[in-house]
Amino acid sequence: NAGVTQTPKFQVLKTGQSMTLQCAQDMNHNSMYWYRQDPGMGLRLIYYSASEGTTDKGEVPNGYNVSRLNKREFSLRLESAAPSQTSVYFCASSEMGTDTQYFGPGTRLTVL
Amino acid sequence: GEDVEQSLFLSVREGDSSVINCTYTDSSSTYLYWYKQEPGAGLQLLTYIFSNMDMKQDQRLTVLLNKKDKHLSLRIADTQTGDSAIYFCAETSLIAGNMLTFGGGTRLMVKP
Repeated sequence: NAGVTQTPKFQVLKTGQSMTLQCAQDMNHNSMYWYRQDPGMGLRLIYYSASEGTTDKGEVPNGYNVSRLNKREFSLRLESAAPSQTSVYFCASSEMGTDTQYFGPGTRLTVL
Repeated sequence: GEDVEQSLFLSVREGDSSVINCTYTDSSSTYLYWYKQEPGAGLQLLTYIFSNMDMKQDQRLTVLLNKKDKHLSLRIADTQTGDSAIYFCAETSLIAGNMLTFGGGTRLMVKP
């Protein structure tokens, strides 16, 4: 039981490049989330998926897209990366109807 | 939007108690959480408290909630060097649709 896994762990992009961050969970959770973490700002919600087949914007969705591929997987895509998207990205999941979220180890992204 | 605030930094000596404080503005909070983040790692759920409770104890951890003042604290007894980490306070509420709102994190440094 690996919990929430994320790939890659580290990534460096040039401005304008695109990439997809992958997230998977093996806890059979319905809800999944993408956050970004910036120094002194805690975590801010980018997008979430309350259940398979649905996605909704969070607090800071601009510049990102998501896909809930199936119940296990929730990916985050940067179509044209910008330096302002340099951050650590965390994926999380929770059971429907509960608020307790479990986090992956994070992806550290640098955009030059 | 709703705010969750924490002090940035706390330094204690090994063996002392640590108290990490958090204030929030949302009067409809349902659950309040403490997460721990060690360097280079994801967020680990430490404990949580339901908003109609005023105290919860779990081994060395004591959570106190003053709902009237919207103040949450985490006390770590007999603090060890392994407790050095960033601690995040977070809350979910009816207003936020049960999404997590995080504080900026408190960096705890434990000196031997």
